[in-house]
Amino acid sequence: SQTIHQWPATLVQPVGSPLSLECTVEGTSNPNLYWYRQAAGRGLQLLFYSVGIGQISSEVPQNLSASRPQDRQFILSSKKLLLSDSGFYLCAWSVLKGGKETQYFGPGTRLLVL
Amino acid sequence: GEDVEQSLFLSVREGDSSVINCTYTDSSSTYLYWYKQEPGAGLQLLTYIFSNMDMKQDQRLTVLLNKKDKHLSLRIADTQTGDSAIYFCAESMQNYGQNFVFGPGTRLSVLP
Repeated sequence: SQTIHQWPATLVQPVGSPLSLECTVEGTSNPNLYWYRQAAGRGLQLLFYSVGIGQISSEVPQNLSASRPQDRQFILSSKKLLLSDSGFYLCAWSVLKGGKETQYFGPGTRLLVL
Repeated sequence: GEDVEQSLFLSVREGDSSVINCTYTDSSSTYLYWYKQEPGAGLQLLTYIFSNMDMKQDQRLTVLLNKKDKHLSLRIADTQTGDSAIYFCAESMQNYGQNFVFGPGTRLSVLP
């Protein structure tokens, strides 16, 4: 069965510090990978998606970047965090099977920038 | 462009039925999904429906799809306190990849 991991679960960082959030998927090959951000009490905002190693698409201009160094690893980074980067970050994966694509989510990382 | 809308809040009494509504704009949607997010957790896939279906039932959950009106609903029978969560409607289109659009989520509060 497939599982998706995210770490850390919670992170408190000062403004201007760097960021690295990691997401790994087990039990599937060549998944699509996604990073979402959920601000407090808000819906999901798609930040990045990746259809393969080294292939990253950005949905919104921002202070963040993403990388996919391996097939099942997706990393969200920042060189200098802003207060507005606080939020709940969710990683998700999907595969297309029988014409249906379903996204499955990780447990999330709660980031607080002070 | 694609847009998915939901009412933001719903309160029901324990034991009553909950109906969470969703409207979408893209008629080329192939699958529509309902996800549940409990406090501090990721999203959990509850159920999905293919766009050529009208209804799907899974235990206490019933999904109704009105494709003509682009309206999707999730009915939870005998709502329990454990059903308190945010429920997201999402649509995916024929293309693979980034064409997966979420609604803003409906916060369901179950009152004792």
